[in-house]
Amino acid sequence: DAGVIQSPRHEVTEMGQEVTLRCKPISGHNSLFWYRQTMMRGLELLIYFNNNVPIDDSGMPEDRFSAKMPNASFSTLKIQPSEPRDSAVYFCASSPFLSGGTYEQYFGPGTRLTVT
Amino acid sequence: KNEVEQSPQNLTAQEGEFITINCSYSVGISALHWLQQHPGGGIVSLFMLSSGKKKHGRLIATINIQEKHSSLHITASHPRDSAVYICAVRSRERSQGNLIFGKGTKLSVKP
Repeated sequence: DAGVIQSPRHEVTEMGQEVTLRCKPISGHNSLFWYRQTMMRGLELLIYFNNNVPIDDSGMPEDRFSAKMPNASFSTLKIQPSEPRDSAVYFCASSPFLSGGTYEQYFGPGTRLTVT
Repeated sequence: KNEVEQSPQNLTAQEGEFITINCSYSVGISALHWLQQHPGGGIVSLFMLSSGKKKHGRLIATINIQEKHSSLHITASHPRDSAVYICAVRSRERSQGNLIFGKGTKLSVKP
């Protein structure tokens, strides 16, 4: 299995630009998670989906952030407009099943975003 | 106060030493995860446990639900164990997928 795939691996953009991060979960996994990691705050959950439906987006910082999962094999996290404080590593993770139980999460390699 | 506290924040050990990393939490949980983040940034799930003890190779994870405490042990440590180890809990008060993360313990094992 290829694991969780994220693209791009690195993104450098100017303040005000739109940024789109992409994730392909492991085939057959029902749950998908978007995380952000910074030195100051560590790892934080932004949003997660179960069977393509957003379940908890309480971690999304503000309206500039949006996430979609149009099908079971693809998700995007969009920031529009981007700001320097959005600079972080964004991880996508997937899990085989969520409802009624807890399963291990498999992380992608992350996207390092730098907003200048 | 953070809901998940790890100690120590940084740990330096000599190759071969027995290592213990601690995690304490203040919320009711249904599961606890130990993650390993390599120097290159990749994150790997090591353990997920809700009671007792799990062992995988040289790694052992224990949890005491009553004391709200978990430990990760590494026996016969090796330089390749150098990484950041992150404790995360699934709180019963939050939605099922919402993990609460500790700040991590940075381990450096010297040859």
